[in-house]
Amino acid sequence: NAGVTQTPKFRVLKTGQSMTLLCAQDMNHEYMYWYRQDPGMGLRLIHYSVGEGTTAKGEVPDGYNVSRLKKQNFLLGLESAAPSQTSVYFCASSYELGGSYNEQFFGPGTRLTVL
Amino acid sequence: LAKTTQPISMDSYEGQEVNITCSHNNIATNDYITWYQQFPSQGPRFIIQGYKTKVTNEVASLFIPADRKSSTLSLPRVSLSDTAVYYCLVGGDNAGNMLTFGGGTRLMVKP
Repeated sequence: NAGVTQTPKFRVLKTGQSMTLLCAQDMNHEYMYWYRQDPGMGLRLIHYSVGEGTTAKGEVPDGYNVSRLKKQNFLLGLESAAPSQTSVYFCASSYELGGSYNEQFFGPGTRLTVL
Repeated sequence: LAKTTQPISMDSYEGQEVNITCSHNNIATNDYITWYQQFPSQGPRFIIQGYKTKVTNEVASLFIPADRKSSTLSLPRVSLSDTAVYYCLVGGDNAGNMLTFGGGTRLMVKP
């Protein structure tokens, strides 16, 4: 099992460019999440998905879009990148949203720099 | 949304027991308490979860008093490799009560 994988690992964008971050999980989890982590800070939830074809906003959704066309994949898009979106992006998945089975499994992260 | 308060940083020495306390005064009846560990340049990793009393696994123990307004993560005999950021989270029982990562506690283990 690969667990949660993220593509790419690193990326440098210019302001205004667009890109898509790909997250894939092989644990058959229903729930998937995208977080961002700024230097020295905790993680903040951008968007999440409670199942194939469904997405919802998290704490900091502005400037991002997501799609969950397949259960195993969760895509995060930046339509027009801004320097404020420079961050490390983590994807995670879990079996349940709450209760005692809500352990989240995280990917290795994508380090994004917007110039 | 249940919020948590934990120390920003702690120092310890190898071989010592480390206790990190988290306050969550407005924890809801259905909320579980979950702790994650994060090493630099890695995603967080689940350590332990509990609802009440005491939970122990191969890595840590979690102590939760009867009122559940706080919890203490106990790491026995820490080593240098336990240097990391530790996050306390409560909630996550539904979409309106998502798990929220606060700033965490930065633990530094010294030789």
